Amino acid sequence: GAVVSQHPSRVICKSGTSVKIECRSLDFQATTMFWYRQFPKQSLMLMATSNEGSKATYEQGVEKDKFLINHASLTLSTLTVTSAHPEDSSFYICSASTGDFGNTIYFGEGSWLTVV
Amino acid sequence: AQTVTQSQPEMSVQEAETVTLSCTYDTSENNYYLFWYKQPPSRQMILVIRQEAYKQQNATENRFSVNFQKAAKSFSLKISDSQLGDTAMYFCAFCLDSFGNEKLTFGTGTRLTIIP
Repeated sequence: GAVVSQHPSRVICKSGTSVKIECRSLDFQATTMFWYRQFPKQSLMLMATSNEGSKATYEQGVEKDKFLINHASLTLSTLTVTSAHPEDSSFYICSASTGDFGNTIYFGEGSWLTVV
Repeated sequence: AQTVTQSQPEMSVQEAETVTLSCTYDTSENNYYLFWYKQPPSRQMILVIRQEAYKQQNATENRFSVNFQKAAKSFSLKISDSQLGDTAMYFCAFCLDSFGNEKLTFGTGTRLTIIP
């Protein structure tokens, strides 16, 4: 079946540095991918919608200059956390749809970001 | 805007018993999709079951079934013959789009523990 791969699964970075998380659809093309953030013991909150070939659409309250999203191809979207701070530490997870009728959505394995 | 409410933060049940998780939602739309996702400790989001709003028949997947009450905007998940591997967070989710190009709106989740 369709698979969405996320990399890295865990990353530790220093405050002030930037870190990039990749989300790949391995055997299907995804014109739209979504980036969610999940705090401990909480639900998934949508950060932005990533559209191939165009600018991402950010949810209210999400800093677009801090969380850079690039959807350069139909199989890859990247989330870059710029000038990371400890409060950016969280679980980030992406999802992608095959685009088929019936709403088949697949999630990546998620990425744990720890900013020290 | 759509909202999803899960009123049971935590539940526990003995192995082999049946448990029902509640979910209500609010929307003014007539066509939409509803989902139950399972998130085990690994944090991987796993689709449990999906229901199209235009279908009156309740979806079933092996031990998992839903009670979809469109007029009441209710979408509960029943797990029969519960197993230890069912221990996880369960999220109810809502989506407007038929092709997966719209975001998922998640409830706050129910932490289910299956007791040996």
